Amino acid sequence: DSGVTQTPKHLITATGQRVTLRCSPRSGDLSVYWYQQSLDQGLQFLIHYYNGEERAKGNILERFSAQQFPDLHSELNLSSLELGDSALYFCASSSDRSSYNEQFFGPGTRLTVL
Amino acid sequence: GQQLNQSPQSMFIQEGEDVSMNCTSSSIFNTWLWYKQDPGEGPVLLIALYKAGELTSNGRLTAQFGITRKDSFLNISASIPSDVGIYFCAGRKSDSWGKLQFGAGTQVVVTP
Repeated sequence: DSGVTQTPKHLITATGQRVTLRCSPRSGDLSVYWYQQSLDQGLQFLIHYYNGEERAKGNILERFSAQQFPDLHSELNLSSLELGDSALYFCASSSDRSSYNEQFFGPGTRLTVL
Repeated sequence: GQQLNQSPQSMFIQEGEDVSMNCTSSSIFNTWLWYKQDPGEGPVLLIALYKAGELTSNGRLTAQFGITRKDSFLNISASIPSDVGIYFCAGRKSDSWGKLQFGAGTQVVVTP
């Protein structure tokens, strides 16, 4: 158990819908990273939040957004869903208090868009 | 897209054999991490490397940070059935504030 929690475990929805994925980092970690894992693209970095502020964006679509709340949990919002958005979505957390910022991954949310 | 070239793509080995895999890039990284992922689960951190030339072990696993800072290697000695899974390398550049780039993974299958 990495200490990172994600809900829900599975999500099935229809095209055009909007969903929210939730992540709670390890106790004490200030950074949350979101990744998307699909069969054809592998693990792709989406976005990074540090202590409530957005720090970096990767290959994140404009239909996707995220935020980190004062209690440090984070939510990834996916809207106008398309079939191609079906994937595993992981969050990872890190303390980022030094250069030794190992990232620990949660169990993921499997999103299926029908 | 991915900038890390991980090989081999898959390995079929017998229990007790050693396993070697590597990751290369045209870019310089200041951190290399190795993860293992089981089906339907999140990647689990195995080893973290922070200095060029560093050699670090975790039980039967040994990883090295290449001297050029453009590659890393992972070895598994005396494989056992629970070593089955997908192994990923991940690299972090100094200017990327923690963003990891992942290799495509090496699928390891261990037969008794």
